[in-house]
Amino acid sequence: DSGVTQTPKHLITATGQRVTLRCSPRSGDLSVYWYQQSLDQGLQFLIQYYNGEERAKGNILERFSAQQFPDLHSELNLSSLELGDSALYFCASSEGGGSTDTQYFGPGTRLTVL
Amino acid sequence: AQSVAQPEDQVNVAEGNPLTVKCTYSVSGNPYLFWYVQYPNRGLQFLLKYITGDNLVKGSYGFEAEFNKSQTSFHLKKPSALVSDSALYFCAVSTSGTYKYIFGTGTRLKVLA
Repeated sequence: DSGVTQTPKHLITATGQRVTLRCSPRSGDLSVYWYQQSLDQGLQFLIQYYNGEERAKGNILERFSAQQFPDLHSELNLSSLELGDSALYFCASSEGGGSTDTQYFGPGTRLTVL
Repeated sequence: AQSVAQPEDQVNVAEGNPLTVKCTYSVSGNPYLFWYVQYPNRGLQFLLKYITGDNLVKGSYGFEAEFNKSQTSFHLKKPSALVSDSALYFCAVSTSGTYKYIFGTGTRLKVLA
């Protein structure tokens, strides 16, 4: 158990809908990362937050947004969902958010868009 | 641009034999290299990392990896494979000034009893 929690575990929804994925980092970690894992794209970095501020952005679509709250938990919002958004979404956390930090991954949320 | 290659989609090895999972990287600047393992329906678990110093890095569950700067490689090794090592293995790289990992495509390790 990494200490990173994600809810929900599974999410089934329809095209055009909006969903929110939630992540709680390990105790003491200030940085949160979001990744998308799909069969055709592999593991793709989406976005990173450090202590409430956006620090780095990857291949995140404009339909997707995230935030990190004062208690350091983070939410990833996915809107106008398409079939291709079906994937495993992972949250990771690290202590400082630097390049050498180890990122600890949560169990993931499996999103299925029908 | 940073990139990581895991040239083998799958590696099969007999239980008790040594295993190697290959990883090569391309970065500008000093690389920071990581190995993770993913079991079915689970998140990624950290195995080991290379930041600087000794080229041979020891990690969890008896795994080790050797950083080779001239060959830009960071292969994962274990002297004696277990059936329970069967999983998906990911190599990742970051570099100074970047805050994200770039992951390889993963290598599925199958250890045969």
